[in-house]
Amino acid sequence: KAGVTQTPRYLIKTRGQQVTLSCSPISGHRSVSWYQQTPGQGLQFLFEYFSETQRNKGNFPGRFSGRQFSNSRSEMNVSTLELGDSALYLCASSLGQGSGDTQYFGPGTRLTVL
Amino acid sequence: AQSVTQLDSHVSVSEGTPVLLRCNYSSSYSPSLFWYVQHPNKGLQLLLKYTSAATLVKGINGFEAEFKKSETSFHLTKPSAHMSDAAEYFCVVSAGNYGGSQGNLIFGKGTKLSVKP
Repeated sequence: KAGVTQTPRYLIKTRGQQVTLSCSPISGHRSVSWYQQTPGQGLQFLFEYFSETQRNKGNFPGRFSGRQFSNSRSEMNVSTLELGDSALYLCASSLGQGSGDTQYFGPGTRLTVL
Repeated sequence: AQSVTQLDSHVSVSEGTPVLLRCNYSSSYSPSLFWYVQHPNKGLQLLLKYTSAATLVKGINGFEAEFKKSETSFHLTKPSAHMSDAAEYFCVVSAGNYGGSQGNLIFGKGTKLSVKP
């Protein structure tokens, strides 16, 4: 099976712009979660989508949003970019059946905000 | 609430010597615990997972971890380090419930493993 894929792998944006990141889960997985990784804060949960519905949300401002499509692919959007949004954004997919689910991670999108 | 603490931010070993990466967890119920590895500029790869079956869990690449409830620990070990093991390792606990801001997984701060030739 193909793994989790994320596009693009690298992005450079300027402050105030918006950005959309894409994630394609493993075939058959219905849950997609997004995480932000920074040197200072480590790995932090953004949100989780399951069957096109946001099921869980982390402590991030409303500038961070996402959605999931009927084929389980997910997009994440960040509006009005700030310098502090520079990070590695990781997407993970799972079956979404419970707390013991294994999440499989994609390679990430490296976002740099100038 | 669930939490996880990785006791060492950096561990350095020589090739061929044992590896020990320490992790303590806090959970109000029997947790699901994971170890993930991240190589530079790569995503996270699952090493192993504990979900209340055998307390000694074997993972990929010769790694294993032992769940010790009395010590609330889940340390990662490998008998003999290889140069390719140099990476950052994350101990992770499942948040255990859907809904709320904790999310599905709670990550430790990570331990960077260096392997000297």
